[in-house]
Amino acid sequence: DGGITQSPKYLFRKEGQNVTLSCEQNLNHDAMYWYRQDPGQGLRLIYYSQIVNDFQKGDIAEGYSVSREKKESFPLTVTSAQKNPTAFYLCASSNRDSSLGSPLHFGNGTRLTVT
Amino acid sequence: KNEVEQSPQNLTAQEGEFITINCSYSVGISALHWLQQHPGGGIVSLFMLSSGKKKHGRLIATINIQEKHSSLHITASHPRDSAVYICAVRSGGSGGSNYKLTFGKGTLLTVNP
Repeated sequence: DGGITQSPKYLFRKEGQNVTLSCEQNLNHDAMYWYRQDPGQGLRLIYYSQIVNDFQKGDIAEGYSVSREKKESFPLTVTSAQKNPTAFYLCASSNRDSSLGSPLHFGNGTRLTVT
Repeated sequence: KNEVEQSPQNLTAQEGEFITINCSYSVGISALHWLQQHPGGGIVSLFMLSSGKKKHGRLIATINIQEKHSSLHITASHPRDSAVYICAVRSGGSGGSNYKLTFGKGTLLTVNP
């Protein structure tokens, strides 16, 4: 079955350490996205990529970095520069077609706790 | 930037009841998504619409572009419908990409047996 796999589901890190969250999709989608979800807030876009080897900052990119070396993979690194890294992180993908946008397909998320 | 408001924030219903969740937005859009987030955190796309009405099983989504309002209805609700329902709007014109989405804060639905 096609889908998006995020790993791990739970991640614990000490303050000051960088940590990388994995996101893999086998849907053959061109576009991939990273969102952050905090209690009582809507999803916020961290980074997105519309094609391999290209990515753009979203609304809250500071303290994060990404790469898109393969179509299937879009890992997110939470660096020590991110002031409040504890959150639920969701990866998503979609086709790059139509002026209306395309349905989003989400992974099951990674809950990161930094102490 | 588009402002997206969902109501109610929390909704508790008895099994079998008809459910309505509302979404209002401030700026014209090209598309609106309804998403369902399960208790474990995973999100599923339910509908994407730009006009009129769509139906899938017991779920119905409607949108009124002039009034900048959308509703998600669940008929014959069931405990397995318990989840957070999220509205997201795509602002701007052509050149489809979901990076232009603005998300609401979600509506927590609990359906009791």
